[in-house]
Amino acid sequence: GESVGLHLPTLSVQEGDNSIINCAYSNSASDYFIWYKQESGKGPQFIIDIRSNMDKRQGQRVTVLLNKTVKHLSLQIAATQPGDSAVYFCAESSSYQKVTFGIGTKLQVIP
Amino acid sequence: DGGITQSPKYLFRKEGQNVTLSCEQNLNHDAMYWYRQDPGQGLRLIYYSQIVNDFQKGDIAEGYSVSREKKESFPLTVTSAQKNPTAFYLCASSIDLSTGFSGEQYFGPGTRLTVT
Repeated sequence: GESVGLHLPTLSVQEGDNSIINCAYSNSASDYFIWYKQESGKGPQFIIDIRSNMDKRQGQRVTVLLNKTVKHLSLQIAATQPGDSAVYFCAESSSYQKVTFGIGTKLQVIP
Repeated sequence: DGGITQSPKYLFRKEGQNVTLSCEQNLNHDAMYWYRQDPGQGLRLIYYSQIVNDFQKGDIAEGYSVSREKKESFPLTVTSAQKNPTAFYLCASSIDLSTGFSGEQYFGPGTRLTVT
């Protein structure tokens, strides 16, 4: 696969457990946040997004939590599966201007 | 089967040579983007285009050039002026610029460029 996973924070999770991937953002003016998933050898895929007027948003097996006070974003994956193994990026934008991507977290699912 | 394609997947060049990376989409999207991805860093925007025959510099445009002669195509040229060209390059598209900057970008599989 690609070497994009080198030097990244890594989270190892047992199959079936819940995963929590954290992200700190720096721009207090950011009002829109996105999580992407990037599998080895592929481009990123949109997972879920959240606007700053919300604290929580749920999708299928995923939940995004936003804490604006401490500028923290998290992605929770329920019942983690081997297919969830990937690099996960958070991204932020302000007033739908250019998106700024974080460095990513590598999720390894242990069978 | 709609999508966005990049070719080749791996590309090797000697230092001092220009190289062009291909990006094609059949999604009928107006906006297209080029990103660079390095280990330990997030995606960084090189160039983007909102419409045919128009494009804008991103954060790290120096040493790169693009063209947008057709809606479906947005090739990126990595010139010899780019100091550190070895990287993974990702192309993306979106319906329009606002949807793209709201996160709804469709990414290609990427091209890994190695310059020695």
